[in-house]
Amino acid sequence: QVQLQQWGAGLLKPSDTLSLTCAIYGGSFSGYFWGWIRQPPGEGLEWIGDINRRGSTNYKSSLRSRLSISIDMSKNQFSLRLTSVTAADTGVYFCVRAGYGDGAFDIWGQGTMVTASS
Amino acid sequence: DIQMTQSPSSVSASVGDRVTITCRASRPISKALAWYQQRPGTAPKLILYFASKLDSGVPSRFSGSGSGTDYTLIISGLQPEDFGTYYCQHYFTTPRTFGQGTKVEIK
Repeated sequence: QVQLQQWGAGLLKPSDTLSLTCAIYGGSFSGYFWGWIRQPPGEGLEWIGDINRRGSTNYKSSLRSRLSISIDMSKNQFSLRLTSVTAADTGVYFCVRAGYGDGAFDIWGQGTMVTASS
Repeated sequence: DIQMTQSPSSVSASVGDRVTITCRASRPISKALAWYQQRPGTAPKLILYFASKLDSGVPSRFSGSGSGTDYTLIISGLQPEDFGTYYCQHYFTTPRTFGQGTKVEIK
């Protein structure tokens, strides 16, 4: 059974870089997109972007200038990097697998609360 | 971007009731629609994909239908464990956008 385990710094200052990593257990990159979704406190879900095993990426346009998603196939991991964070980037970040149709997210990480505050 | 509009924003129902949640896309999405349940403090859980296909292990009291721009999630016989917030999400194109959510409370 495929599981995702994620980690990264939870407390950042404005202008810092947010870095999160997600490890895939019990499966491989093949045939799926792997992505990130975030949820501001008390709000709904926001798709950030995704990547496949060939390194092909899709990014939310409003984040594209600050966002990078990468894969490390040797470690079975993928990562999120968001530069110049502000308070608006505060929320829970989830890593996900798009198991159906490249966009229905069937496997989720446990979530990481990230707070950007001075 | 395709916008997703859910209704109602909240619903309170009794155990055994039938609950209906609707989701409208701002343009046709060819059934590229998923539904999720999120309980407080946990990650969302996929319930349905391709508008009407149950994910593995999801009880059959959940069903979905729709086409074009209009989609429906039905819970037939609400159970205590069905509380939470339900989200629709399209994956017809990028960005993959979510509806604003429907909070389901048990009376």
